[in-house]
Amino acid sequence: SQQGEEDPQALSIQEGENATMNCSYKTSINNLQWYRQNSGRGLVHLILIRSNEREKHSGRLRVTLDTSKKSSSLLITASRAADTASYFCATDDAGGTSYGKLTFGQGTILTVHP
Amino acid sequence: AAGVIQSPRHLIKEKRETATLKCYPIPRHDTVYWYQQGPGQDPQFLISFYEKMQSDKGSIPDRFSAQQFSDYHSELNMSSLELGDSALYFCATTLGSYNEQFFGPGTRLTVL
Repeated sequence: SQQGEEDPQALSIQEGENATMNCSYKTSINNLQWYRQNSGRGLVHLILIRSNEREKHSGRLRVTLDTSKKSSSLLITASRAADTASYFCATDDAGGTSYGKLTFGQGTILTVHP
Repeated sequence: AAGVIQSPRHLIKEKRETATLKCYPIPRHDTVYWYQQGPGQDPQFLISFYEKMQSDKGSIPDRFSAQQFSDYHSELNMSSLELGDSALYFCATTLGSYNEQFFGPGTRLTVL
């Protein structure tokens, strides 16, 4: 079963607009990571936010984490056509015998039109 | 900067054949994770190693096995291949646990 569910499943915007993607998860976590994947290619790490952090920025990316709601959001500001990709959240689940394995959400397909 | 290396990048096999996928971590990374991503699916955790010992196991079929060697590279061995094994196989490496994982470019396995 999936730990994370992402919303929306697909997002289509114009260049220059902001894109917001949401991720929900079910268990306690050590951290939550966002990845980007171009079609059929490798996963590129975007940002990691730890369970004791609420917000993090990296360039045009802003990630928030609400552990009480078990949710996270990724905001991409001033989007570019090159941002077109699939975006996944992945949780590093706390407790048990987990040693940092990631559980991925189903991903949001972002299309940015020039 | 050095990245995670996976080989081969593409592999075509017949049903019931075997395949070996290799992963070479970023220097000094001691932890390796293997993930499988089917078409249109999200990556699924298979197995992980820390300091050459298996640290965690996910939904990995008994037909698959893996190990991490003294130089920290890892190999995923897949036997009695089935059509459903066709997927992208990623390894990711990190230093210790609970840190960002750096993914390799993946091996695309096609089973005919």
